[in-house]
Amino acid sequence: KQEVTQIPAALSVPEGENLVLNCSFTDSAIYNLQWFRQDPGKGLTSLLLIQSSQREQTSGRLNASLDKSSGRSTLYIAASQPGDSATYLCAVSDGGTSYGKLTFGQGTILTVHP
Amino acid sequence: SQTIHQWPATLVQPVGSPLSLECTVEGTSNPNLYWYRQAAGRGLQLLFYSVGIGQISSEVPQNLSASRPQDRQFILSSKKLLLSDSGFYLCAWSRGVNGYTFGSGTRLTVV
Repeated sequence: KQEVTQIPAALSVPEGENLVLNCSFTDSAIYNLQWFRQDPGKGLTSLLLIQSSQREQTSGRLNASLDKSSGRSTLYIAASQPGDSATYLCAVSDGGTSYGKLTFGQGTILTVHP
Repeated sequence: SQTIHQWPATLVQPVGSPLSLECTVEGTSNPNLYWYRQAAGRGLQLLFYSVGIGQISSEVPQNLSASRPQDRQFILSSKKLLLSDSGFYLCAWSRGVNGYTFGSGTRLTVV
């Protein structure tokens, strides 16, 4: 059974800092990995999608890497801003299934203070 | 472009009442559709998924059911709600290699 762990559970940083969120998964047979952002009381917004054959993806100040063999992914946020405050979720899609079940981590609650 | 609509945004229902949550997708065809529940402190749990019209699979036994009457419509239902059905319900779709897209969610409180 796939298990996804995110570290740290919560993070509070001053504005402008570069930061790293970590995600690990137990079964390396994944189809892809996706990072989401969730604001309080809202749905999930997709940030980055990394296919199993890729090593990293970048979007603006965000960079996500994937090391499938070691079961790890990191989300790097450069020059953090108060607007980045949210819960960040990592999810892996199981390989070999027709419907691509997502398994989520518990999330990292990020607070960026001015 | 593809969009996903989910309603209502919030719902307060008494124990024992029925439930119907609706989700529709626009701009794609034959998507995989999903219902997830997010309970406080328990993360996101897959409830149902569908790979086609009338094809529903359940991940966990529960008081809920799902239906897919049309290609881009997914409905979550219950005949009699329990207190434990409270939570944040999220609909999502995926197709091919493009990852998941989630709706805005429904906050259900059973009182």
